[in-house]
Amino acid sequence: GAGVSQSPSNKVTEKGKDVELRCDPISGHTALYWYRQRLGQGLEFLIYFQGNSAPDKSGLPSDRFSAERTGESVSTLTIQRTQQEDSAVYLCASSVHVVSPLHFGNGTRLTVT
Amino acid sequence: DQQVKQNSPSLSVQEGRISILNCDYTNSMFDYFLWYKKYPAEGPTFLISISSIKDKNEDGRFTVFLNKSAKHLSLHIVPSQPGDSAVYFCAASGIEKGQGFSFIFGKGTRLLVKP
Repeated sequence: GAGVSQSPSNKVTEKGKDVELRCDPISGHTALYWYRQRLGQGLEFLIYFQGNSAPDKSGLPSDRFSAERTGESVSTLTIQRTQQEDSAVYLCASSVHVVSPLHFGNGTRLTVT
Repeated sequence: DQQVKQNSPSLSVQEGRISILNCDYTNSMFDYFLWYKKYPAEGPTFLISISSIKDKNEDGRFTVFLNKSAKHLSLHIVPSQPGDSAVYFCAASGIEKGQGFSFIFGKGTRLLVKP
């Protein structure tokens, strides 16, 4: 079946512009996560959605970052006024429920020039 | 402060030998652990998991060991194959008071299996 789909796969933007990244989770997965991986670093947790519960935003690095999820479907991660330090691969993952493995998409590589 | 640590950034082993990848964690509330493999330009792929009620889980060539008292887990790959060359991440999660259920990842260990 279809896995987690992320778009775009690559995004180059100028400093100060806003970007929107999209994630289509696996159908039926109630939990959705956003992570980012900067060059040479590990996976940094950003935000987590579980069903209709309030999202866990504890990993968002600043108020320029926000994310939404419609029900148990698509999620968008928005970065406003992008900075060069935002350059990273942004990974989305979904899971059937909280105590189950995450299934990752291939990520969006964001480059801020 | 890193809650999940993979202290070896890289590891090189000969094909057919055992690969041992280590991971340490600091939060005693963690009770579910995962290992992932990542190839360049791809998302991480789930390998194997273990919950804190067990100390070992095996799946084919992959075995994960959990030592709760030492807050340490390890992934054993035997026999190692050249196709196993990738970056390996361990991840831990648990219900934290007042928060959701988020997985914390280590920085990864790059495994190279030489033919």
